[in-house]
Amino acid sequence: DIQMTQSPSSVSASVGDRVTITCRASQDISTWLAWYQQKPGKAPKLLITAASSLKSGVPSRFSGSGSGTDFTLTISSLQPEDFATYHCQQSSSFPQFTFGGGTKVEFK
Amino acid sequence: EVQLVQSGGDLVQPGGSLRLSCAASGFTFSINSMSWVRQAPGKGLEWVSYIDSTSSNIYYADSVEGRFTISRDNAKNSLYLQMSGLRAEDTAVYYCASVSYRVSDYWGQGTLVTVSS
Repeated sequence: DIQMTQSPSSVSASVGDRVTITCRASQDISTWLAWYQQKPGKAPKLLITAASSLKSGVPSRFSGSGSGTDFTLTISSLQPEDFATYHCQQSSSFPQFTFGGGTKVEFK
Repeated sequence: EVQLVQSGGDLVQPGGSLRLSCAASGFTFSINSMSWVRQAPGKGLEWVSYIDSTSSNIYYADSVEGRFTISRDNAKNSLYLQMSGLRAEDTAVYYCASVSYRVSDYWGQGTLVTVSS
């Protein structure tokens, strides 16, 4: 089974900060990686597919990069509505997805 | 507008059964693959099960294999998850999600399943 490890598990930041979250796969997953945003009590929302393709309607301050085993999600200038938990998901072993443990972006 | 409206979550005793439903609208349900994902309280997301558009290909996580059954009724635009032999560790919010190009692009609102005596 492919394991996904996210770091950090939480990050404290202020509005306007640049935030970077990493996700590491236990084996090569090419670019079969997606990122989701989840707010408390809500369902996850898809942000990025194929490691770096922004879903239509997602603000351009979000970006993704990486391939193989190491991936990053970057928020270039944190906005108040971006305080949430972010999850990575591999689909190399589709349809048996695996998610990372999540990273909570908190207000400093 | 794509909508996935879930129902069926409840408090159930260990060993009991429950059926979750997910009603789809706003897209062509019959050609979309679907999945169930769950989230235990305070924990991350866990993929549970997948079904393709014709119910020809079905997969389960090892943690639920043999106890849960995914199904769909394309005539009713509905997805189901029949859960039996429930355990305390199955306590979670369960989400249905449409699957497109290997990602879960739309999600239901979630329904809470609590397994406790």
